[in-house]
Amino acid sequence: GNSVTQMEGPVTLSEEAFLTINCTYTATGYPSLFWYVQYPGEGLQLLLKATKADDKGSNKGFEATYRKETTSFHLEKGSVQVSDSAVYFCALSSMDSNYQLIWGAGTKLIIKP
Amino acid sequence: NAGVTQTPKFQVLKTGQSMTLQCAQDMNHNSMYWYRQDPGMGLRLIYYSASEGTTDKGEVPNGYNVSRLNKREFSLRLESAAPSQTSVYFCASSVHRTSVFYEQYFGPGTRLTVT
Repeated sequence: GNSVTQMEGPVTLSEEAFLTINCTYTATGYPSLFWYVQYPGEGLQLLLKATKADDKGSNKGFEATYRKETTSFHLEKGSVQVSDSAVYFCALSSMDSNYQLIWGAGTKLIIKP
Repeated sequence: NAGVTQTPKFQVLKTGQSMTLQCAQDMNHNSMYWYRQDPGMGLRLIYYSASEGTTDKGEVPNGYNVSRLNKREFSLRLESAAPSQTSVYFCASSVHRTSVFYEQYFGPGTRLTVT
């Protein structure tokens, strides 16, 4: 079946550090891939998405590239800020999952000033 | 435009009590969802409604019932609450098509504690 695996957190970084949060997936066919972010005390919101291989999603300085050869969709940011502290979720959707979202467990990111 | 709203924000129940969580969206979306979020487990789908008049079970439906009251509203009912249902509950909505995925928009959540 379809599944998403994320690196375990928490990930703790200093401000202006480079961020990578790993995400790999298992799916048949060609899923769409997403990163959602959950700020403290809030619901989830879409950060970025990619719907086909080699697509790069980007938003708010974050980027992720859909790599079909490695079944990965790693989230990166060149210089993190304290305000980026949140929980980040990787997810996929495919025809096999009836277009429902399949979620990773989430990675908590803590940025220290 | 409020997006997705949920009530209540917080609730404490005793084992065996019942309650209904309310959700409404004003984006004219066809599909609505109920998730629960537990530490270290991400989000798990409880029930969803692909369109008005239809509901389907998700990954963890036991102990819950849902009603798609109209296009805007989708409620989740716990008939006899159990401590294992202590969680944060999120409602979400999306435009739904059979061949293209649209993003889901989430409400702020309901934090439920069952003692």
